[in-house]
Amino acid sequence: AQSVTQLDSHVSVSEGTPVLLRCNYSSSYSPSLFWYVQHPNKGLQLLLKYTSAATLVKGINGFEAEFKKSETSFHLTKPSAHMSDAAEYFCVVGNTDKLIFGTGTRLQVFP
Amino acid sequence: EAGVTQFPSHSVIEKGQTVTLRCDPISGHDNLYWYRRVMGKEIKFLLHFVKESKQDESGMPNNRFLAERTGGTYSTLKVQPAELEDSGVYFCASSQSGQGILFYNSPLHFGNGTRLTVT
Repeated sequence: AQSVTQLDSHVSVSEGTPVLLRCNYSSSYSPSLFWYVQHPNKGLQLLLKYTSAATLVKGINGFEAEFKKSETSFHLTKPSAHMSDAAEYFCVVGNTDKLIFGTGTRLQVFP
Repeated sequence: EAGVTQFPSHSVIEKGQTVTLRCDPISGHDNLYWYRRVMGKEIKFLLHFVKESKQDESGMPNNRFLAERTGGTYSTLKVQPAELEDSGVYFCASSQSGQGILFYNSPLHFGNGTRLTVT
């Protein structure tokens, strides 16, 4: 069975500092992994996806994630946080025609 | 291009009542999914339509939930009778047609969700 674990339910950073949101996955075969973001009262938006083409995946708004098979990780990073990055972030693994979500990490950005 | 639209945005009902949620996918999208997030838990898959047919309804929690997609356009999700544990946010998503692992080349577009509160 496939699953993802988001290691932090809340992360707080200051504006301009790096962001790291951690995700570990479990899969018996090569997974397809995604990061989604949900801003307040908005729908889920795809940030980036990994589908085995390249281990370092660049997404929108300056986010990127690195697939590390040896560590079964797919952490999301951004060099410099912006106030508009405050939202909830979901690590997701794809299972044929459905998505399996992590429990979410709420990112707070302080001025 | 209009996005995925869900109605209502919020619904508050009493236990035992019936509620119907509606989802209008992006025009031309054959795939339509329902997901939900109950309080404090992860977002979970409910079911998947391809056009008007139910492709996978393995995530539907019980027979109080009925999803339809007549004509392969909009979809409704009816909860009857509603229970307290049905409270949460119900998301709809759509994607274009494809083969196999559909969303890898055809990303899912999510609606803003319907927040359902059962009191």
